[in-house]
Amino acid sequence: GAVVSQHPSRVICKSGTSVKIECRSLDFQATTMFWYRQFPKQSLMLMATSNEGSKATYEQGVEKDKFLINHASLTLSTLTVTSAHPEDSSFYICSAREGVPDTQYFGPGTRLTVL
Amino acid sequence: DQQVKQNSPSLSVQEGRISILNCDYTNSMFDYFLWYKKYPAEGPTFLISISSIKDKNEDGRFTVFLNKSAKHLSLHIVPSQPGDSAVYFCAARGLFQKLVFGTGTRLLVSP
Repeated sequence: GAVVSQHPSRVICKSGTSVKIECRSLDFQATTMFWYRQFPKQSLMLMATSNEGSKATYEQGVEKDKFLINHASLTLSTLTVTSAHPEDSSFYICSAREGVPDTQYFGPGTRLTVL
Repeated sequence: DQQVKQNSPSLSVQEGRISILNCDYTNSMFDYFLWYKKYPAEGPTFLISISSIKDKNEDGRFTVFLNKSAKHLSLHIVPSQPGDSAVYFCAARGLFQKLVFGTGTRLLVSP
């Protein structure tokens, strides 16, 4: 199956700093990537949809200035958590959509801890 | 407003038996349904999917059934193996390819 990688897998940062998370589709081109976050024992919540070469579309309640998304190429999307606060601590997961079959493949996730 | 629900938070099954995981949805506009398996601190792994125009899809030990009139789908795993122990999420695809996930069911298959 298609492979999606994320980097880093874990990051600990101080409050007020910015953190960048990378999502790459390794063996296919993804025109669309999605960013989710998951709180402990809860479901995955879609944060935003990232389309290559255009602005990301954010879900209701997600601050676009706080969670900056860039989808510069067909294999790379980045999520930057700006001025991170402890409440941003969560598990962030990206997915990349492959057209044939039309399925989303998920990365391994990034555990962000903001102190 | 939970559009996709998995009402059983956990399920325990003996090795070799059938595991049946259930999922209900409310939005009739969903056109595609998927099942994912997830281990802690990892991303979900795609298992099997079904289009809304079908009522069954089978792949090896995994079969997904869709009952559109009841807005219900289920995942059958036969025979269940200890390695199947994980959290299973059903997901429904809506507008703009967005997936809406259920809350997950933790499956434990004991030897």
